[in-house]
Amino acid sequence: TQLLEQSPQFLSIQEGENLTVYCNSSSVFSSLQWYRQEPGEGPVLLVTVVTGGEVKKLKRLTFQFGDARKDSSLHITAAQPGDTGLYLCAGTSGTYKYIFGTGTRLKVLA
Amino acid sequence: DAGVTQSPTHLIKTRGQQVTLRCSPKSGHDTVSWYQQALGQGPQFIFQYYEEEERQRGNFPDRFSGHQFPNYSSELNVNALLLGDSALYLCASSLGQPNQPQHFGDGTRLSIL
Repeated sequence: TQLLEQSPQFLSIQEGENLTVYCNSSSVFSSLQWYRQEPGEGPVLLVTVVTGGEVKKLKRLTFQFGDARKDSSLHITAAQPGDTGLYLCAGTSGTYKYIFGTGTRLKVLA
Repeated sequence: DAGVTQSPTHLIKTRGQQVTLRCSPKSGHDTVSWYQQALGQGPQFIFQYYEEEERQRGNFPDRFSGHQFPNYSSELNVNALLLGDSALYLCASSLGQPNQPQHFGDGTRLSIL
């Protein structure tokens, strides 16, 4: 059974701090996606990574796919209150089934 | 360009009843996936529909069934509702090839009393 574990589960930081969220598995994924979900809304796609070692940047967010395609990280620089939300990673192994991680709930305090 | 739309937004049912949830995919998308998201957890894959057929299924009982229509919209049906079926039900649309990014609707919040 494929599992994606995210850490930390909860994170509360001050505005301006940096943070990293991790997404780990013992399985290899052919692609991995990161989403942010706010209360009462569906997840919103942030990025898709498909190549081992790939790094993508989205303004203050940096996403990395592990060389072995078993793990990924999301780094936020100078966090802002607008970054608050539930961050989810999701992987697929070339099938049509997406496995979601357990989620990291981030709160950025002004 | 309309995104993924789901209806209804909220629904309250009692144990043993049946429910139908609806989803219209993002324009240009032909594939619809359904997920169950319990409070405080990540979404769990229920199944995916493509070309009006279920082509992949997660670990959900047969009480969960679906349908896709020629216009690519989809329905999720749940029979014999249990208290544990209370959750946010999310629909995601995408293109039909593997590894495609998904676009989610805002979900239907189902409460079972």
